[in-house]
Amino acid sequence: KAGVTQTPRYLIKTRGQQVTLSCSPISGHRSVSWYQQTPGQGLQFLFEYFSETQRNKGNFPGRFSGRQFSNSRSEMNVSTLELGDSALYLCASSLQTSGAQYFGPGTRLLVL
Amino acid sequence: QQQVKQSPQSLIVQKGGISIINCAYENTAFDYFPWYQQFPGKGPALLIAIRPDVSEKKEGRFTISFNKSAKQFSLHIMDSQPGDSATYFCAAITNSGYALNFGKGTSLLVTP
Repeated sequence: KAGVTQTPRYLIKTRGQQVTLSCSPISGHRSVSWYQQTPGQGLQFLFEYFSETQRNKGNFPGRFSGRQFSNSRSEMNVSTLELGDSALYLCASSLQTSGAQYFGPGTRLLVL
Repeated sequence: QQQVKQSPQSLIVQKGGISIINCAYENTAFDYFPWYQQFPGKGPALLIAIRPDVSEKKEGRFTISFNKSAKQFSLHIMDSQPGDSATYFCAAITNSGYALNFGKGTSLLVTP
């Protein structure tokens, strides 16, 4: 089976802009989670979707949002970008709750 | 608040030696404890995982030891190889949860 894919792999944006990141889960996986990884804060949970419904959200401002489509693909959006949003954004998919989560390669976002 | 505490932050081991990374948690609702391996520029890869009903799980050179009463678990890498040089993350998730709670990571360097 193909793994989790994320596009784009790299992005450079300026402060105030918005960005949309895309994730395609492993075939058959209906749960998609997003994480932010930074050197200072480590890996932090953003949100999780299952069957197009957001089931859980981490402690991030409302500028961070996401959605999931009927084919389980997911997108996350960050509006009004800040310098501190520079990070590796990781998507993970899983078959079931409290089970193994498989990560994609991530999207490296740099905000200038 | 860091729900999973990981140590050491960095570790240097000679080739052929045993690498040991420790994690501790407080939330007794955690039900699934995975370990991830991450190479630079890549997403975390699931290495091995354990549930609290067993005290040890072994897969090849990788072993998880789990102490439910102490709320601690550890990763042992036997016969460590230079190719094992990476960052290792422990994590935990509840049986009804959707968010992995990660430790801060351990940077492992295996010297030839």
